[in-house]
Order: sequence, then structure tokens, then C-alpha cells
Amino acid sequence: QKEVEQNSGPLSVPEGAIASLNCTYSDRGSQSFFWYRQYSGKSPELIMFIYSNGDKEDGRFTAQLNKASQYVSLLIRDSQPSDSATYLCAVIGQAAGNKLTFGGGTRVLVKP
Amino acid sequence: DTEVTQTPKHLVMGMTNKKSLKCEQHMGHRAMYWYKQKAKKPPELMFVYSYEKLSINESVPSRFSPECPNSSLLNLHLHALQPEDSALYLCASSQGGGERTDTQYFGPGTRLTVL
Repeated sequence: QKEVEQNSGPLSVPEGAIASLNCTYSDRGSQSFFWYRQYSGKSPELIMFIYSNGDKEDGRFTAQLNKASQYVSLLIRDSQPSDSATYLCAVIGQAAGNKLTFGGGTRVLVKP
Repeated sequence: DTEVTQTPKHLVMGMTNKKSLKCEQHMGHRAMYWYKQKAKKPPELMFVYSYEKLSINESVPSRFSPECPNSSLLNLHLHALQPEDSALYLCASSQGGGERTDTQYFGPGTRLTVL
């Protein structure tokens, strides 16, 4: 079992719709959870982080954390073509020596 | 300001060349990182410097040699690389200190091609 798992996609979303991305992790001692966006050929850009159970909203993005079920999700509301990118889930956990462990990424395609 | 800068943006080198990648941050961060990223894969951690000391080396071949001259600068010296080392090399920094909110910010990367 991979430490951090994401569906590789592509997740195809009509413009204006909600994109829902999921990420599961295996280390129950994980403390911090991050979502990065990466455009093709570019570096990862931090979208948001979350470390408490529940929802955290920032503009069109909402991160949701459920530690009991060991998953974190990202919702993108009113999806725009410019949101087309790969979204990387990353986790800081004790099992990995407090290093940042990435999932494989979910590719999102927003179609006009 | 969450800017991490990297130079050069692109680098082409032969297998016998020696080159260096540079990374700089002025956010007062005390942890700096080197990652390697191949196409369609997530970043892979190579090295971590914490308070200017090498704290993590992820069993990286000795043809990659990191250096941290001061708290703002991080270098990666390259020598006798192989074509399979061609990748995007990413530098990142974070406040350090082991806090659970220790967020890493990435530089734009150096696209390395080894011929």
C-alpha cells in the first residue's frame, strides 16, 4: 500500500462545475496535509494546507480532512480552464520521519 | 513573500561535465530541500538541510553533492551524471523547526538534460 494515494485521472470537469479530488493516507500519525497545483513543466505551487478535522476554505478551494477515515479532499468550485493541472496531495507524517510524502497526483482537465 | 529562486532554468550537460544548480530564498527559512522530479511522477526527496546542516540524504548517488554555504543559499553540484538523471530539479524551503505547519515552498526548478 502506498503511503499517500490519489486517483491519477484525468478528472474531466465542465467549466463552472465542482471538481472533487480525493487523497488517502496510511500513516495515522500524519499531522499536516497539503495540496499543491502543478502545471505541466512548472513547479508545484501551494494551494492550501489543513491540519484540523473539518473544512478549510480559501476562495474557490475547500480542503476537507477526516483523520478517522484517513482521507483529505480538495473541492474546486466554479472550475475554470486555468484550473487544468495536476494536483498533488502531500502529507507530513511521523512514519516517514516528518518528511513531506507526495501522492502520485490527479490530473484535472476543465473543458470550456 | 514566498519566493524561492533557482538558476539556471535550463541546463544541458555531457556525462563528463561538472555543473552546479543554485537555489536562494530570503524568507528567513531554516530548512531547504532538493527534490528530483521525472515526468508524470511526484517529486522525490534527495536532500534536506536544517539550520545549514545536512539532515537527510535519501541514499542519493555521490555524483550529486549538496552544499549549503549559508542559511539563504543551497547548491547542488553535479559531476559525471548519467542520461537517466535528466529531470526537473526542484528546490524548496520551509521555516524548519519541526512544527506540523512547516509548509514547503518550491522554486521554479531547473530542467536538466544529460546527453
